[in-house]
Amino acid sequence: GENVEQHPSTLSVQEGDSAVIKCTYSDSASNYFPWYKQELGKGPQLIIDIRSNVGEKKDQRIAVTLNKTAKHFSLHITETQPEDSAVYFCAASKNPGSARQLTFGSGTQLTVLP
Amino acid sequence: GAGVSQSPRYKVAKRGQDVALRCDPISGHVSLFWYQQALGQGPEFLTYFQNEAQLDKSGLPSDRFFAERPEGSVSTLKIQRTQQEDSAVYLCASSLSLAKNIQYFGAGTRLSVL
Repeated sequence: GENVEQHPSTLSVQEGDSAVIKCTYSDSASNYFPWYKQELGKGPQLIIDIRSNVGEKKDQRIAVTLNKTAKHFSLHITETQPEDSAVYFCAASKNPGSARQLTFGSGTQLTVLP
Repeated sequence: GAGVSQSPRYKVAKRGQDVALRCDPISGHVSLFWYQQALGQGPEFLTYFQNEAQLDKSGLPSDRFFAERPEGSVSTLKIQRTQQEDSAVYLCASSLSLAKNIQYFGAGTRLSVL
């Protein structure tokens, strides 16, 4: 089955700096890659996603890049703010044309220092 | 409702007790997923429903775990004869349709088995 690895497990940045989180996946058939933000005591919240027919997607301060050949994708957060502090999870799924389960990475604890 | 609702938010059970966890998906969402999240880990898939049909239960860890969605809306995850290793957060997610696999998560039920 699919295996998703995520790095780093913890990341501290100064407010205003950029943060980058990287994930690799094993199944070349995976073609949907969402990123979730999870705050303490809450469920994961979708922040951005990308499908395999594009290489990059941006939404304000957040961007995701996908390299299908290398089977890795990354989350980029620019101009970080203290409220960006949370655990971020990447995930992968096959067949976006049908609702299938997500395979998650192990998470990155992002801390933005004021 | 505005989002996925799960109840109870917290459940403490003595080893050997049966528990039932409830999920109210977003109204009109066809697909419903259950995930298990151990402390410090990413969510792991348990089972998936499309309307009332349970299409995939490959992630259920043992036959003590049972899920149902009899009318294609509310779902219940039942764990029989709970054991300490069942302690985790149980997350429910729903998605609107087969066309797009965008999963929206509830806040989860934190189960502690003593």
